[in-house]
Amino acid sequence: DIVMTQTPLSSPVTLGQPASISCRSSQSLVHIDGNTYLSWLQQRPGQPPRLLIYKISNRFSGVPDRFSGSGAGTDFTLKISRVEAEDVGIYYCMQGRQFPWTFGLGTKLEIK
Amino acid sequence: EVQLVESGGGLVQPGGSLRLSCAASGFTFSNFWMSWVRQAPGRGLEYVATIKPDGSEGYYVDSVKGRVTISRDNAKNSLHLQVTSLKAEDTAVYYCARQGEYCFDSWGQGTLVAVS
Repeated sequence: DIVMTQTPLSSPVTLGQPASISCRSSQSLVHIDGNTYLSWLQQRPGQPPRLLIYKISNRFSGVPDRFSGSGAGTDFTLKISRVEAEDVGIYYCMQGRQFPWTFGLGTKLEIK
Repeated sequence: EVQLVESGGGLVQPGGSLRLSCAASGFTFSNFWMSWVRQAPGRGLEYVATIKPDGSEGYYVDSVKGRVTISRDNAKNSLHLQVTSLKAEDTAVYYCARQGEYCFDSWGQGTLVAVS
C-alpha cells in the first residue's frame, strides 16, 4: 500500500497568517493516465470530512480561494493564505493513484 | 444538493453482525462509484470498500476482506455494507462517500458502530 506521511502533526497558527501542510507519498502518485491523484480533505470538529482540493491543485466546489494545493510526484503541499477561525480542524491528504486508496494521519490546525 | 444519510450503526457484541445503509439523493446515484470509509475514535480515516456504479463488483481493503460485503440498490438510491464477525477494532464511525475523480467528493454524517 502507498504510505502517506504528513508534516507537521500539529500546526498552531495566528489568525490572518498563512499556514502550510506537507504530504509525502511512499511512491509516485502519477497515474498511468498522466494525472496525479492527490487530494486534500478538511475535517472540522464533530463534522465529517469535506473535500477541499483534488488532483493536486483543483479546488472543489465552494472551497474558498485562500486554499491552494501544489506539488508533483511524491511531494505535495496545502497552503492557506490567511487562516480564519473556521479553518480549525484536521487536514488529511489522500492518494487515489493505487488501490487501496490511503490517507495521511492528519495535521491538526489550531489557532494560537 | 448531494445528500448522503447513513443508518444502521449501534452497539454490537464481538462476533456479531450489522448492516449499514446509506440513502443518497441530489444526484444520479447509478452513475457513481460509491464507498465506505471509517474512522476509529480519535483516529484517522481508513478506506473500507468500494462498489462499481452498476453494482457488479466490489473492492475491499485487506483488513476487512471476507467479513464485509458492499452492495447497492440503484432503484432505491441506497448503498449498504454488511459487516460480520465484528471485532473491537471495527469500532468506528462509518461514512458513506461518493467517488469523484479518484477522490471522495461528498460524505455523509456517518453512523457509529461500537463493538463491545
